[in-house]
Amino acid sequence: EIQLVESGGGLVKPGGSLRLSCTASGFTFSSYRMNWVRQAPGKGLEWVSSISTGSDYIYYADSVKGRFTISRDNTQNSLSLQMDSLRVEDTALYYCVRESTHTNYFDPWGQGILVTVYS
Amino acid sequence: QSVVTQPPSVSGAPGQRVTISCTGSSSNIGADYDVHWYQQLPGTAPKLLIYGNINRPSGVPDRFSASKSGASASLTITGLQAEDEADYYCQSFDSTLSGVIFGGGTKLTVL
Repeated sequence: EIQLVESGGGLVKPGGSLRLSCTASGFTFSSYRMNWVRQAPGKGLEWVSSISTGSDYIYYADSVKGRFTISRDNTQNSLSLQMDSLRVEDTALYYCVRESTHTNYFDPWGQGILVTVYS
Repeated sequence: QSVVTQPPSVSGAPGQRVTISCTGSSSNIGADYDVHWYQQLPGTAPKLLIYGNINRPSGVPDRFSASKSGASASLTITGLQAEDEADYYCQSFDSTLSGVIFGGGTKLTVL
C-alpha cells in the first residue's frame, strides 16, 4: 500500500521555525517528484513547494520563497520542509503529496500535519 | 485569490446532474496545461478524481466526468448521491507563476 505520513507539526510563535517530515512507503520514492501543499483553516488548497527526484530542480510558491526549504533523502524515503521566519498566515494543514511522472497530478496525499503560528 | 476561478458553491438534489467550472487564462489552462480534479470529503485529505483533463483513476465511479476547452475546464457529476457532498478543486500549472495552481474550490451540497 502506498503511504505518505507527515510528522513534525505543532505550535510556534511568529518568527519561529519548524521542520516537517514525510515518510514514504509502498513505492519507489526516488522515482517521483514530491510536493508540499497546504490548506489554511476553512480555506482552499495552496501549492507550497516541489522537488525533483534528484533534488536538482526545486520550486517554491512566492508566499514562502526565502523562508521555506524543501529537501529529500532518497536513501531514507523521506521528504522534509524546513520552515523559518514563520508567520501567522502560514497556519495550515500541510500535506505531503506525490506527483505523477506524466502530467503533474498529485496522488496520493498524506493525511496532513497541522502547523499553527500564533502570537 | 486564485488565478483559476471556480464557483464557491453548487447544489443539486439526489439523482440530478451538476457541473463545476474552472476558468483560467492563457498562462495556465489556456496554454494547454492539463487540468486535474480532486474531491475533499469533510475532514479528509483531497483525493484524485480526474487526471489529464478527462481521465478517471480506477475506483472512481463513471458518474464523474470532466472536459476541457480553451482556457476553461469543467467537472460533471451525474446521478448525484449524498456521499458526493464535498469540496472539489481543479488544479493546473501556470507558466507566469512557474508553479502549480489550484482553483479556489467549490462546495457541493446535495439537497
